[in-house]
Amino acid sequence: DVKVTQSSRYLVKRTGEKVFLECVQDMDHENMFWYRQDPGLGLRLIYFSYDVKMKEKGDIPEGYSVSREKKERFSLILESASTNQTSMYLCASSTRGGWPNEKLFFGSGTQLSVL
Amino acid sequence: AQSVAQPEDQVNVAEGNPLTVKCTYSVSGNPYLFWYVQYPNRGLQFLLKYITGDNLVKGSYGFEAEFNKSQTSFHLKKPSALVSDSALYFCAVRDLESGGYQKVTFGIGTKLQVIP
Repeated sequence: DVKVTQSSRYLVKRTGEKVFLECVQDMDHENMFWYRQDPGLGLRLIYFSYDVKMKEKGDIPEGYSVSREKKERFSLILESASTNQTSMYLCASSTRGGWPNEKLFFGSGTQLSVL
Repeated sequence: AQSVAQPEDQVNVAEGNPLTVKCTYSVSGNPYLFWYVQYPNRGLQFLLKYITGDNLVKGSYGFEAEFNKSQTSFHLKKPSALVSDSALYFCAVRDLESGGYQKVTFGIGTKLQVIP
């Protein structure tokens, strides 16, 4: 089975801090995604990447950046954390070979609290 | 633009009874439709997908979904609910009309509570 691992389950940071959320997948998937999940809003796409060093903005990229230096790793960066970025962050991956009906494989999520 | 609506925040059903979780979609072209489930403190897991062909799609854990093009719906169903089915369910859609890599759009989720 595909395993998508997010480095932290819970994270507490202070306003203004630079925050790194890490995600690693072990199935050689080309596509990787960062979503945030908020009650009443569902999942919203922040950024995605379909290849190493490639990135595309999703629906809500403001205040975030990403890095994909290796195929298996996709990092989400909050340059200066703010309280409205308190959320559950979900990483996902998929194989390009199955596009467009490929399924997404999700990590367990990182619950980030910004105080 | 593509969108998905899940009109019910929560669905309650007695164990052993049939369940339905509703989803409607809006796309400009032909839709690819998905259902995902999220158990407490877990990420989302794929349940099933509709591409083309039969309107009734079977998926994991005894779930199935019915695609209705005229009503633009893709409701999730199960003949007999289990307490272990209690979870958050997300409908999702991908529209291929626009070309390029099209992202998947998720609904806001429906909480299913199966009562013993």
